[in-house]
Amino acid sequence: EDQVTQSPEALRLQEGESSSLNCSYTVSGLRGLFWYRQDPGKGPEFLFTLYSAGEEKEKERLKATLTKKESFLHITAPKPEDSATYLCAVQASTGGFKTIFGAGTRLFVKA
Amino acid sequence: DADVTQTPRNRITKTGKRIMLECSQTKGHDRMYWYRQDPGLGLRLIYYSFDVKDINKGEISDGYSVSRQAQAKFSLSLESAIPNQTALYFCATSDSPGETQYFGPGTRLLVL
Repeated sequence: EDQVTQSPEALRLQEGESSSLNCSYTVSGLRGLFWYRQDPGKGPEFLFTLYSAGEEKEKERLKATLTKKESFLHITAPKPEDSATYLCAVQASTGGFKTIFGAGTRLFVKA
Repeated sequence: DADVTQTPRNRITKTGKRIMLECSQTKGHDRMYWYRQDPGLGLRLIYYSFDVKDINKGEISDGYSVSRQAQAKFSLSLESAIPNQTALYFCATSDSPGETQYFGPGTRLLVL
């Protein structure tokens, strides 16, 4: 069964304390892995798409990496404005259109 | 103006009532989706549409129906609302199945 698991459920960091969020997936052929950011009361906002193992993408303090079984979202020297829920989603390349979302990691960054 | 809009933003209704949630987009995308989000469960796909004449059931379509009135408009209906349909509902669009999805601001629905 296709599945996406994100850990931890919640993460509390001090400003400047770097860390990583994990997204483990099981899918019958990976077409793409997506990271989104969701602020309270808003819809998810796209961050990155990764297509193959070994691929990396960066945006400001965020860097996403991908292996055959998991993806990491690395946050370097976070700021309070990075506080949000980060969602991971995978799309299978077989069985037609199917995007599966993880439950998300809630990140709190304290000044 | 936002590319994907949803109305209403908040709705309280009673068990058994029929309600409609509406979604409009100005991105020119053919593909539109309806998701619901529940705490701890992530986003789950209700229905999706690849063009005006194409409607497909998602993971959790029971108790819901949709209408694609135009390329830019996709509505979700709850024929007879029940309390476990209380959730946050999101509309999204994309250019193709493998591409980024763009989400609306969501509709918070409470069924009493």
